[in-house]
Amino acid sequence: EVQLVESGGGLVQPGGSLRLSCAASGFTFSRSPMSWVRQAPGKGLEWVSGISGSGGSPYYADSVRGRFTISRDNSKNTLYLQMNSLRDEDTAAYYCAKDGAMDPLEYMDVWGKGTTVTVSS
Amino acid sequence: QSALTQPASVSGSPGQSITISCTGTSSDVGGYDYVSWYQQFPGKAPKLLIYHVNNRPSGVSNRFSGSKSGYTASLTISGLQAEDEADYYCSSYTSSSTHVLFGGGTTLTVL
Repeated sequence: EVQLVESGGGLVQPGGSLRLSCAASGFTFSRSPMSWVRQAPGKGLEWVSGISGSGGSPYYADSVRGRFTISRDNSKNTLYLQMNSLRDEDTAAYYCAKDGAMDPLEYMDVWGKGTTVTVSS
Repeated sequence: QSALTQPASVSGSPGQSITISCTGTSSDVGGYDYVSWYQQFPGKAPKLLIYHVNNRPSGVSNRFSGSKSGYTASLTISGLQAEDEADYYCSSYTSSSTHVLFGGGTTLTVL
């Protein structure tokens, strides 16, 4: 069974940092592009970042570029999102998602259950 | 860049068909066939319904179908059922620097 399990969310002060992890299982992780998508409370979905299977091509939404860093460890089947300089507007549920195509950014066919990040003083 | 434009809400009676629109620009919906649709129940993760405009993943009911014309993509749900009551989001690749856009979401109410 394909499974994605996020962890690392929590409460952090504005300007602080947090690292999210996503443990993947049930598919060939190293061949799959991956994405992070977030959803602020009561709001819609927002794509945050994506990365190729090899990890060599990261992509970022304008809203997080320069503050967030996506990475992956294919030996551990784990995806990461390092979030720095956090702002109130980064408060959201963060979902890890497996891309459905060989190239990133096309669509996401499997989603984790999400981890919640709250930025507040 | 702004999100893709979806109606905030649609409704229909059991057995009817409804269509949810998703309007973008030539930089996203109109320029690429990388439109996808997701279903989300309250407190749950999104689920992929349609990819590449009109393709259904295995396991998704054939009551869900997708199409595109110009800058507008559409999701049609036929034979509406009470269990279809959920939020629906469209998404598209964009040539802009933000790479992927979502629509604002549409809440479907089954009357």
